[in-house]
Amino acid sequence: AQTVTQSQPEMSVQEAETVTLSCTYDTSESDYYLFWYKQPPSRQMILVIRQEAYKQQNATENRFSVNFQKAAKSFSLKISDSQLGDAAMYFCASTYNTNAGKSTFGDGTTLTVKP
Amino acid sequence: DGGITQSPKYLFRKEGQNVTLSCEQNLNHDAMYWYRQDPGQGLRLIYYSQIVNDFQKGDIAEGYSVSREKKESFPLTVTSAQKNPTAFYLCASSIWSLEANEKLFFGSGTQLSVL
Repeated sequence: AQTVTQSQPEMSVQEAETVTLSCTYDTSESDYYLFWYKQPPSRQMILVIRQEAYKQQNATENRFSVNFQKAAKSFSLKISDSQLGDAAMYFCASTYNTNAGKSTFGDGTTLTVKP
Repeated sequence: DGGITQSPKYLFRKEGQNVTLSCEQNLNHDAMYWYRQDPGQGLRLIYYSQIVNDFQKGDIAEGYSVSREKKESFPLTVTSAQKNPTAFYLCASSIWSLEANEKLFFGSGTQLSVL
């Protein structure tokens, strides 16, 4: 069974600063995909960024980027130039080709942005 | 606008009662999912469906039932057998892909509480 671990229940960052959220996963699969989802106070989850495990290049989406360390099974999310609207709960998730596309989620990290 | 609609936003269940949560999508997605979210925890998969008239149990299916009579609809029934139903329920959909790299689109959720 695959597991996803987020070791930081809560993080805070000053507006305009950079913060990194940690995620580790455990799998014996060779083909898998990693995601970061954001759940704002409205509670509707949206995708932040996606990484294919076979790609060595780290994914980036504007102010959001990942540090994907395949050997270490680590997938951290870096938020640059933090904004008040970034305050939310962030979930790391994984899917596997042999798992019918089902996603396994970590327990989440609550990010607070201080003005 | 395309998206996923969940209703109701809040639902209260009396002991011994079955309740049904609605989930409708107009994204033309083949795959639909139900997740349960408890405070401080990640999402856990209840049921999922890849095609009409077919669905599979997820990790915590006991006490729940689903149907998939139409591509657009995937209702979840919380039965009286579910002894701890208080939680936030999220419905999601995605394009069905053998590569499991498709992101999930989420509804806005239903908060179920026991009276």
